[in-house]
Amino acid sequence: DAGVTQSPTHLIKTRGQHVTLRCSPISGHKSVSWYQQVLGQGPQFIFQYYEKEERGRGNFPDRFSARQFPNYSSELNVNALLLGDSALYLCASSPGLYTEAFFGQGTRLTVV
Amino acid sequence: GQQLNQSPQSMFIQEGEDVSMNCTSSSIFNTWLWYKQDPGEGPVLLIALYKAGELTSNGRLTAQFGITRKDSFLNISASIPSDVGIYFCAGPSLYNAGNMLTFGGGTRLMVKP
Repeated sequence: DAGVTQSPTHLIKTRGQHVTLRCSPISGHKSVSWYQQVLGQGPQFIFQYYEKEERGRGNFPDRFSARQFPNYSSELNVNALLLGDSALYLCASSPGLYTEAFFGQGTRLTVV
Repeated sequence: GQQLNQSPQSMFIQEGEDVSMNCTSSSIFNTWLWYKQDPGEGPVLLIALYKAGELTSNGRLTAQFGITRKDSFLNISASIPSDVGIYFCAGPSLYNAGNMLTFGGGTRLMVKP
């Protein structure tokens, strides 16, 4: 069975650019969450989507946005990239709204 | 905001030794999750705990949900080199909607062969 898949695995962007990260959840899972993990720290919650609706938002600026598609896949968009946005971006999929989360391998974003 | 404090921050142990790490919070959690993360990978769920006092095992791993609902511990018995990695506790508190997980800072486990 396929786990959570994220693309791309690595990405280098320049300050001020825009980036789109993609996530496909485990088949049958309806919830997708996004986390940012800075080196040496635990993941920080960004968004949760369930049945295509935003159900939670962490303490991140409006430059961060996301959406979930009818097939439950999701995109995370970040505008006007800053050096501090460099991090591992993790997608997690859950069967329901209040169930345990299973993570993908992440997208390593480097902003230069 | 809510915080989860993990201790110790790092451990360097001899292969074959037992390991114990814990996670504490100032607020109540209704679920405790323990994850392991290898370098360059996403966290992998090891154990999920749903009831205060619950003790759950997964092979050489054992975790408990504290009675106060503000702490949890993870034990690893007879450590082996592949246990190397960072162990995170996480949980959605009673006061958050959905499945927003708060993570601890992690315990880095290093094993001498």
